[in-house]
Formats: sequence, C-alpha cells, structure tokens
Amino acid sequence: SAVISQKPSRDICQRGTSLTIQCQVDSQVTMMFWYRQQPGQSLTLIATANQGSEATYESGFVIDKFPISRPNLTFSTLTVSNMSPEDSSIYLCSVEAPTGWGYTFGSGTRLTVV
Amino acid sequence: AQRVTQPEKLLSVFKGAPVELKCNYSYSGSPELFWYVQYSRQRLQLLLRHISRESIKGFTADLNKGETSFHLKKPFAQEEDSAMYYCALSGHQGGKLIFGQGTELSVKP
Repeated sequence: SAVISQKPSRDICQRGTSLTIQCQVDSQVTMMFWYRQQPGQSLTLIATANQGSEATYESGFVIDKFPISRPNLTFSTLTVSNMSPEDSSIYLCSVEAPTGWGYTFGSGTRLTVV
Repeated sequence: AQRVTQPEKLLSVFKGAPVELKCNYSYSGSPELFWYVQYSRQRLQLLLRHISRESIKGFTADLNKGETSFHLKKPFAQEEDSAMYYCALSGHQGGKLIFGQGTELSVKP
C-alpha cells in the first residue's frame, strides 16, 4: 500500500492565524482526500483533491477556510485559515492504495487553537 | 442519504469472549464496505474489505445486503484487539469514504 508522510504531526496555534498541513505520498495517486476528526467524533471528509483541478469540497466546508493545493500526483497541502478554537481537530490525508485495495491514511495532524 | 451507523460507542468484553461490532449502512446502490482500526497512538489502518472476504487477525465481516449490515466478528477476543474500530463505505472504487461514529473495543484480561 502507499506510504503517506504528513506533517506537522501536531501544532498549537493562535486564533486568527493559519496553518498549512503537508501530505507526501510515495507513489503517484489520482485523488487525495482530506478528513477532519473533531474530538470524540468520527472522520468527516473535507475535500477531494485532484491534480490539476480545483478541489471538490463537501457540504459545510469552503475553499476560503480550507484552501487546498495539489501541485503534482504525490503531494498536497491543506491550509486551515483564520483559525478559531472550533478548528481544533485532527486533520488527516488519505489516498487509495495503488492496488485499489482500500485506502491509506496519514498519521494525522493534531491541531489545537488557543 | 448515505450513512454508516455504529450503534455502540463502547464495547467491553473479556479475553476469549466472542466479539461482534455492529455496522449498518444506508446507501442507494452497491457500496464497498470497509472496517478500519486505530490502535492507541497509531494511524488508522485498513482491517477488512468486504470484497476480499478475508479473515484478518481472526476478524471476519459479512455483507448482508438484505439487512444492510456489515458486522465485524471475532470468535475469541484478545487483549491486543483493544482499539477503535470504524466502519466505512465508499460508493465506488476510488470514491470518498463515509465513516461511522466508531466503536471502542476494550478487551479485559
């Protein structure tokens, strides 16, 4: 399966600032997915990122708040903009395994906004 | 609406006891169903996929389309099975995953 490197692993940020999370995959993948896991909650998809096109956002998530870049087939970034304490969550990236057998997840970024 | 329901937030059993983690889904079509597991301090990882019909770490899951269920079972739980388990579905290969709320399995000695 694909190996995903995600960083930073955790950060504590001031409200009103922005944080960019990076996700690097060891193989070329068509789509990359960004999820959020709020404390005590399940994973919720934020957006799907295709290389060379605009990301597709799920209901409740907007590009101004969560801009995504996908410059090539192995890399993506998610920015959490103008942060508030409600943005404190774990953010994860995910890709489908090259074999088509399931999805692989990054180790996550634990964000705390103070 | 597309939805995955895991009715149990916490399931506690003794070592050697059978385990069944329930998962029901709502989807208009033929989804792919998955079970993911997250051990303490580790990343989320795939446990089972309904298409593969495999037994991983002694766990099995059968897709019941009539009951729209995909329950995860193990005949004899081990302490190392203690983890968070998520049921998820995808509408098609390569599509987004929809997760259930997760069930924390605690296996006591």
